[in-house]
Amino acid sequence: RKEVEQDPGPFNVPEGATVAFNCTYSNSASQSFFWYRQDCRKEPKLLMSVYSSGNEDGRFTAQLNRASQYISLLIRDSKLSDSATYLCVVTGEYNFNKFYFGSGTKLNVKP
Amino acid sequence: ETGVTQSPTHLIKTRGQQVTLRCSSQSGHNTVSWYQQALGQGPQFIFQYYREEENGRGNFPPRFSGLQFPNYSSELNVNALELDDSALYLCASSLEEGDETQYFGPGTRLTVL
Repeated sequence: RKEVEQDPGPFNVPEGATVAFNCTYSNSASQSFFWYRQDCRKEPKLLMSVYSSGNEDGRFTAQLNRASQYISLLIRDSKLSDSATYLCVVTGEYNFNKFYFGSGTKLNVKP
Repeated sequence: ETGVTQSPTHLIKTRGQQVTLRCSSQSGHNTVSWYQQALGQGPQFIFQYYREEENGRGNFPPRFSGLQFPNYSSELNVNALELDDSALYLCASSLEEGDETQYFGPGTRLTVL
């Protein structure tokens, strides 16, 4: 079983739409959670950390559900520039620098 | 820009050859991790170095090895290349061992023929 599972998509949405991605993880002892964004043929870049209390950064909201072992990312008012692959990341139980990446969810925002 | 650089940008090798990839960390960062990203997949953790010592390893065979130097630059070496080693190789640096934030370099795209 993979450490982190994501729906690969693609999610094709019009500009201005709200879109949500989920990701599940297998290790209940995982400590830290992130969403990274990766543009085509570029390196991953940190989008936001995910906290148990949930956190919001502008149009982006991340939630963590430890009981069900899933993480979500909500994007409101989608922009063309949001088109990218969104990677869910979970750290190891003891080694916080050991990142487990999901395969990514591709988002295409259309005009 | 993250301040993490990698060289070369692209590389083509043949099966059985050996390759060395290089990474220069962001200034002051003493922890570096290496990842392999196959096409259509997320990055897979290869190993991490902290202050020149290996500090964790993923499910990769021993022919994947690394070094970290006193200036915190690092190398990934792969021996006996296989076709499946074709991938984007990413290094990521962080300030301290427990620092959650990792800064990725642009990657080296390796093609094995």
